[in-house]
Amino acid sequence: GAGVSQSPRYKVAKRGQDVALRCDPISGHVSLFWYQQALGQGPEFLTYFQNEAQLDKSGLPSDRFFAERPEGSVSTLKIQRTQQEDSAVYLCASSFGRRGQPQHFGDGTRLSIL
Amino acid sequence: QQQVKQSPQSLIVQKGGISIINCAYENTAFDYFPWYQQFPGKGPALLIAIRPDVSEKKEGRFTISFNKSAKQFSLHIMDSQPGDSATYFCAASKSQTGANNLFFGTGTRLTVIP
Repeated sequence: GAGVSQSPRYKVAKRGQDVALRCDPISGHVSLFWYQQALGQGPEFLTYFQNEAQLDKSGLPSDRFFAERPEGSVSTLKIQRTQQEDSAVYLCASSFGRRGQPQHFGDGTRLSIL
Repeated sequence: QQQVKQSPQSLIVQKGGISIINCAYENTAFDYFPWYQQFPGKGPALLIAIRPDVSEKKEGRFTISFNKSAKQFSLHIMDSQPGDSATYFCAASKSQTGANNLFFGTGTRLTVIP
């Protein structure tokens, strides 16, 4: 498909486990964003990449959260030593990166920490 | 601190009626204001967006009204249909910077009754 693809769609982990969430952006999109959406809330910004460079990680809630995009395409969001408050939907969005270009969202990964 | 405030939290409208959702912001650096529609289990999808140099933008049944002096903007859905039942998010970004991460409102759950 031509949209943003995220995997897995659902992830259940025990507290303390590490998880990795994958995002395949739309081909040609240089900007990639990760957002966290708690139940019943709007998405909140986590981090931003332009190509392979992570230009803004101000939204990452703790040093347990780590994101990478080594070749400027696929991105992985890793959460170490998961805690119950990490339970949320993690959304990835991509755009062409030019001023005003819209962000296109994937359907997210729903993470549940037991 | 919520950078974009959205109301109402929920809205019930009869089929054929007008749905109105309101948002307000404080940061005058924001210059791009999109509205997203989200269905359960799906990612947000861009509906319509506006820049502060215009006061109104219309696309089909969807209209954004923008009041720069009041720092408010609203979404009007004309001739509301049951298929419009979804959660709507307003958002804002500082698109001039290029790192245009979105600040979202808390969402409005719209139900259109047949």
